[in-house]
Amino acid sequence: QVQLQESGPGLLKPSQTLSLTCTVSGGSISSGDYFWSWIRQPPRKGLEWIGYIYYSGSTYYNSSLKSRLAISKDTSKNQFSLKLNSVTAADTAVYFCARVRGGTEDFDYWGQGILVTVSS
Amino acid sequence: DIQLTQSPSFLSASVGDRVTITCRASQGISRHLAWYQQKPGRAPRLLIYAASTLQSGVPSRFSGSGSGTEFTLTISSLQPEDCATYYCQQLNRYPLFGPGTKVDIK
Repeated sequence: QVQLQESGPGLLKPSQTLSLTCTVSGGSISSGDYFWSWIRQPPRKGLEWIGYIYYSGSTYYNSSLKSRLAISKDTSKNQFSLKLNSVTAADTAVYFCARVRGGTEDFDYWGQGILVTVSS
Repeated sequence: DIQLTQSPSFLSASVGDRVTITCRASQGISRHLAWYQQKPGRAPRLLIYAASTLQSGVPSRFSGSGSGTEFTLTISSLQPEDCATYYCQQLNRYPLFGPGTKVDIK
């Protein structure tokens, strides 16, 4: 059974960099069958795809966040990470990591999510 | 860019009712659509992929149909545990989620 778990700081000040890590168990991020993704959900709002990374290291980003965003991976730890710089209150959200199936490109396994609040 | 709309945004129905949610895409997306269920405080759960394929472990009262620009998610007999928000997601290029439909029990 694949499991994903987000970790990182829950509180940031404006202009700081948001850094989160997703640890994957029960499956390898080196598999060519999947992408590894970040999605966020502001309080009481809908879901927004942030970006994903492929086993090759290729990355694909939401154009609205691209200038502030970097997704990377550490195959040795079976982890992938998100960095979003220059955060504002608008970046306050629950951040989820998820596995994306290649081919159908749906999100079949999700982490539980981590709330990140940006406040001065 | 492709836009997704969902209707209704909220619905209230009785246990046992047949419930239908519609998702419309601003451009044709073939059958590249998935449906998710999200309960408060939880991560979304994949219900349907490729417009009509039931994800493993999902009850058979859930079904999906459609292609091109119009898609539907149907719950054939609403159960109390189906209270949730339902999102469609298009997969045509980059992932995009619909705004959601909240389903409540009368």
